[in-house]
Amino acid sequence: NAGVTQTPKFQVLKTGQSMTLQCAQDMNHNSMYWYRQDPGMGLRLIYYSASEGTTDKGEVPNGYNVSRLNKREFSLRLESAAPSQTSVYFCASSLSGSGMSTDTQYFGPGTRLTVL
Amino acid sequence: RKEVEQDPGPFNVPEGATVAFNCTYSNSASQSFFWYRQDCRKEPKLLMSVYSSGNEDGRFTAQLNRASQYISLLIRDSKLSDSATYLCVGDVNNAGNMLTFGGGTRLMVKP
Repeated sequence: NAGVTQTPKFQVLKTGQSMTLQCAQDMNHNSMYWYRQDPGMGLRLIYYSASEGTTDKGEVPNGYNVSRLNKREFSLRLESAAPSQTSVYFCASSLSGSGMSTDTQYFGPGTRLTVL
Repeated sequence: RKEVEQDPGPFNVPEGATVAFNCTYSNSASQSFFWYRQDCRKEPKLLMSVYSSGNEDGRFTAQLNRASQYISLLIRDSKLSDSATYLCVGDVNNAGNMLTFGGGTRLMVKP
């Protein structure tokens, strides 16, 4: 099992460019998440998908869109990148999305994005 | 006030020391809490869930104090390999999917 995989690992964009971050999990999890991590800010939830076919906004959704392509894949799109979106992006998945103590979130290795 | 707040540290301790981190949360109705560990430039990984009665896993003990709205992590007999950032996490919005992460506490264990 690869767990949660993300591509690319690194990316540099110019302001206004667009890109899609890819995420896939092979654990048959129902829920998937996109976070960003900035120094001193902790991880902040951008969007999540409780189950295939559904997506919901998290704490910081502005400037992003997501697609739950199927049960395995959840992509994050930046339509017009801004320097404020320079961050490390993590994808995660969990079995049920209940938030209960038994519902561990498993994270991918992250994508380091720089917007110039 | 941040929903989940931690002392960023760093905590510098010698090998073998006992170290404790506290984390406060804002929503008294929160139910689920976790400690995650994050190594430098790596993804967070679950260290342990925090149960109301407290729980222990080897050298690690987690406690929940609902009256004062804080959770704690105690690490006994610190190892060099314990050096990492420890993230306090809770479902402070009682929204199931939306866990809230603290900013993390950095621990450095020295020989």
